[in-house]
Amino acid sequence: EAGVTQFPSHSVIEKGQTVTLRCDPISGHDNLYWYRRVMGKEIKFLLHFVKESKQDESGMPNNRFLAERTGGTYSTLKVQPAELEDSGVYFCASSQWGLALDTQYFGPGTRLTVL
Amino acid sequence: AQSVTQLDSQVPVFEEAPVELRCNYSSSVSVYLFWYVQYPNQGLQLLLKYLSGSTLVKGINGFEAEFNKSQTSFHLRKPSVHISDTAEYFCAVTASGAGSYQLTFGKGTKLSVIP
Repeated sequence: EAGVTQFPSHSVIEKGQTVTLRCDPISGHDNLYWYRRVMGKEIKFLLHFVKESKQDESGMPNNRFLAERTGGTYSTLKVQPAELEDSGVYFCASSQWGLALDTQYFGPGTRLTVL
Repeated sequence: AQSVTQLDSQVPVFEEAPVELRCNYSSSVSVYLFWYVQYPNQGLQLLLKYLSGSTLVKGINGFEAEFNKSQTSFHLRKPSVHISDTAEYFCAVTASGAGSYQLTFGKGTKLSVIP
């Protein structure tokens, strides 16, 4: 069974540009999470989808970030316009049941560098 | 809200020696506790989790962790490490009740196994 996949693995953009990150969860997992790790800091929660609905977006830093999950399958995270402080590794995770005790399976991450 | 403190950012240890990676948490509600590992160029992989019951939890690759409620700790141990254990280890918590299932992470501990 394929794990969580993320694309691209790396992205280098200039300040002010737009970048879109994609996450494909494990097949059959209704719950999808986005996290971010800024260099030297802890991994922080951004938001949680249940199917195509946003269950919790309390971690989204500002309105330059837009997350979507079309048809409850893959998800995209768009940053527009990108700022220097957006640099970091963006992780996606998925889980089957959406319970606190459920294991979240993580993708390899997308490393975003904003110059 | 929850918080997690991993007291050591880097831990060097010789091969076949024992290791303990420390994790303390803070929460006003009951929590579930997790340890994840990230090998180079890979996503986070669950090592073990504590949900309830026995305070000693055994995970993959010979790791175990002990939940100590009075000390609010969840330290990870392995009696004899291998070169392949070189990785970054993350302690995480989530509230056990209904609501958001976001994971709150510590800053990570880089374990370096020296041959």
